[in-house]
Amino acid sequence: AQKITQTQPGMFVQEKEAVTLDCTYDTSDPSYGLFWYKQPSSGEMIFLIYQGSYDQQNATEGRYSLNFQKARKSANLVISASQLGDSAMYFCAMSQNTGFQKLVFGTGTRLLVSP
Amino acid sequence: GAVVSQHPSRVICKSGTSVKIECRSLDFQATTMFWYRQFPKQSLMLMATSNEGSKATYEQGVEKDKFLINHASLTLSTLTVTSAHPEDSSFYICSAPPGPYNSPLHFGNGTRLTVT
Repeated sequence: AQKITQTQPGMFVQEKEAVTLDCTYDTSDPSYGLFWYKQPSSGEMIFLIYQGSYDQQNATEGRYSLNFQKARKSANLVISASQLGDSAMYFCAMSQNTGFQKLVFGTGTRLLVSP
Repeated sequence: GAVVSQHPSRVICKSGTSVKIECRSLDFQATTMFWYRQFPKQSLMLMATSNEGSKATYEQGVEKDKFLINHASLTLSTLTVTSAHPEDSSFYICSAPPGPYNSPLHFGNGTRLTVT
């Protein structure tokens, strides 16, 4: 069975600083996808970034990058130059195979960006 | 871009009544949709996979007769919470892949259900 672990219930960062949100995963499948979603207080889930298990390079999307360390089974999200609008819950998720289908989510990390 | 619309966004109902939640893909067709449940300050738990034209696939521990799912068209899936009880109060959110196998899931804005 697949499992996602996020050990940081909350993180604080000052505006313009970088922050790393931790995510480790467990799976016996050789093919899988790793995702990060942002959930503001309004509730919607916003897709941020994706990493396939066979991707050689770390994924990047604007200020978001995914630090993928396959041997350690970790997929940490790095947010550079934090903004006040980044304050939200962040969920790491995993899919079977490298598709974007059924997802298993971690417990989330609440990020608070202060001025 | 691909949009998933969920309605209602908030509903309060009395114990014993049924509530229907709709999930629509607005500008794409979705043969599959996923229904998640999120308790306060917790993660999203997959409840079921909705399949257009066939029966939904439920995750272990989810009562099929309690949470009725219908996916009658390529753009609409509904979740009906039958005979709701206070413990069914939760945030329900649907999602759908807008395109090919490797398209990111798009989520609806969710429905906050409160059963009194």
